[in-house]
Amino acid sequence: SQTIHQWPATLVQPVGSPLSLECTVEGTSNPNLYWYRQAAGRGLQLLFYSVGIGQISSEVPQNLSASRPQDRQFILSSKKLLLSDSGFYLCAWSVVSGGTEAFFGQGTRLTVV
Amino acid sequence: RKEVEQDPGPFNVPEGATVAFNCTYSNSASQSFFWYRQDCRKEPKLLMSVYSSGNEDGRFTAQLNRASQYISLLIRDSKLSDSATYLCVVNPAGTYKYIFGTGTRLKVLA
Repeated sequence: SQTIHQWPATLVQPVGSPLSLECTVEGTSNPNLYWYRQAAGRGLQLLFYSVGIGQISSEVPQNLSASRPQDRQFILSSKKLLLSDSGFYLCAWSVVSGGTEAFFGQGTRLTVV
Repeated sequence: RKEVEQDPGPFNVPEGATVAFNCTYSNSASQSFFWYRQDCRKEPKLLMSVYSSGNEDGRFTAQLNRASQYISLLIRDSKLSDSATYLCVVNPAGTYKYIFGTGTRLKVLA
């Protein structure tokens, strides 16, 4: 069966520090991969998605970036965090053909102080 | 206009009640629709997909109205454990994106 791993679960980082969140998927090949952010009391905002290695689509201009160095690995990064980057970051995957549901990792709760 | 809109609630209902949520979407070419459930401080989890002919899973019934561009979720015989936020999700045609509504909070009261 397919599983998605996301870590760390919680993170407290100072303003201006770098960020690296990692997500890996097991049990499937060539998945679509997604990064979402959920601010406190708000909906899920799509940040990036990828349909293949090295391919990244950005949805929202910000100081975040994403990379997909391997088929089942998706990384979210920032060189310098802002207070507004605080939130619940969720990685998700879906089958490459689309039209089916997405499955989420357990999320990383990031607090920028 | 937001791509996917939901009434944020909260809907406070007694145990055993029937409750319905609606969700509207703006992209008429959208092809796939889902309802997710999100518990406090947890990741969203798929509740059910929404099919054109409507579908039922136990106490839950989902309907799609393409002409009016809305989907609905009906929960019968509400349980305390149904308390959560229900997220409407749309997959626009020709994209791999999942667009989420802001969610509707449900509280089932004893």
